[in-house]
Amino acid sequence: DGGITQSPKYLFRKEGQNVTLSCEQNLNHDAMYWYRQDPGQGLRLIYYSQIVNDFQKGDIAEGYSVSREKKESFPLTVTSAQKNPTAFYLCATQGQGRIMNTEAFFGQGTRLTVV
Amino acid sequence: GQQLNQSPQSMFIQEGEDVSMNCTSSSIFNTWLWYKQDPGEGPVLLIALYKAGELTSNGRLTAQFGITRKDSFLNISASIPSDVGIYFCAGLNQAGTALIFGKGTTLSVSS
Repeated sequence: DGGITQSPKYLFRKEGQNVTLSCEQNLNHDAMYWYRQDPGQGLRLIYYSQIVNDFQKGDIAEGYSVSREKKESFPLTVTSAQKNPTAFYLCATQGQGRIMNTEAFFGQGTRLTVV
Repeated sequence: GQQLNQSPQSMFIQEGEDVSMNCTSSSIFNTWLWYKQDPGEGPVLLIALYKAGELTSNGRLTAQFGITRKDSFLNISASIPSDVGIYFCAGLNQAGTALIFGKGTTLSVSS
């Protein structure tokens, strides 16, 4: 099936530990994104990548890191420097709509809880 | 930076009623998208708008791209229980590199 796969669905982390969230896509989309969702806050952009081996910081990149070694994969690491990591994390890709690269498609999300 | 102001924040309606929500910005957007998110899931694209003044329908949903390019609205007609969820508006940022999202409208439908 074509789509975006995020894993795991639920993740628990001890305070002070780094954790990596997986995002894989087989849509052949160049652009991939990570958003963070908190109640009442909408979706806030953490990092994005328009092409392999290149990525840019979004609005709330502090305490996060990413890599883009393959077109299909865009993992997000939540580091111990992220002061409030408990949130719902969404990975997205952008592909062609009527205008190229304007419609984003989302994975199912990963809920991270720091215990 | 660019921001999208979405209203209302939440709505509680009876099944069968029509619903209207909107999104405004002080900045011009060249693309407006509307998404729906079910609890614990990722958002799903409902309607995409690309041209000022454009009015587009998808079943019971209708959305319009404002003439000023600073606003958009989404209407849902004859609401049903499965319309429950969070509705987000989104626009492409000025650099054309990523989508900016509103804070969402939470819709509750009672039968």
